[in-house]
Amino acid sequence: EVQLLESGGGLVQPGGSLTLSCAASGFSFSVYAMGWVRQAPGKGLEWVSIISHSGGSRYYADSVKGRFTISRDNSRDTLYLQMNSLRDVDTAVYFCVRADPPYYYDREYFFENWGQGTLVTVSS
Amino acid sequence: DIQMTQSPSSLSASVGDRVTITCRASQSISSFLNWYRQKPGKAPKLLIYAASNLQSGVPSRFSGSGSGTDFTLAISNLQPEDFATYYCQQSYSTPITFGQGTRLEIK
Repeated sequence: EVQLLESGGGLVQPGGSLTLSCAASGFSFSVYAMGWVRQAPGKGLEWVSIISHSGGSRYYADSVKGRFTISRDNSRDTLYLQMNSLRDVDTAVYFCVRADPPYYYDREYFFENWGQGTLVTVSS
Repeated sequence: DIQMTQSPSSLSASVGDRVTITCRASQSISSFLNWYRQKPGKAPKLLIYAASNLQSGVPSRFSGSGSGTDFTLAISNLQPEDFATYYCQQSYSTPITFGQGTRLEIK
């Protein structure tokens, strides 16, 4: 069974930093692109970032480019999102997602598997 | 960026009804359109991928159609668990974008 377990969310002040982790299990982590999708309270879904299966390619939403960094450790089956210079508007539940089919990372993929989400609150 | 517009934003229906939700892309996205259902407090669930392909395990009362810029999600014989919010998502180009959501409520 595919499982994606996020951690690292919490309360942080504006301008602060936080790192989210996503522990994956139940599939061959190293052949899938992985990403993050967020949802602000009461709002819709927003794609944040994706990283290719090897980690060699990364894409970001304009709203986080230059502030967030996505990375992965295929030896640990873990995905990360380093978030710097956090703003109030970054307050959201952050979902870890697996991109299907395998190896697709820049287009033509869908999100079959989602984590339960971790809440990030940016507030003073 | 490709803009995705869903309509309606909300609708009311009864158990057993058939409803349709439309999604329009700001430019052609071929058939790279996916549909998700999200229940309150839960992660979204993939229903349809590549416009018309039913995800494994999803009931056949869900169907998707369309290509280019106009797409439709149809749900027949509505069940209580279907009253939720639905999102379309294009995967034709990065950045990936979602529609704003359609909230399906019980009449």
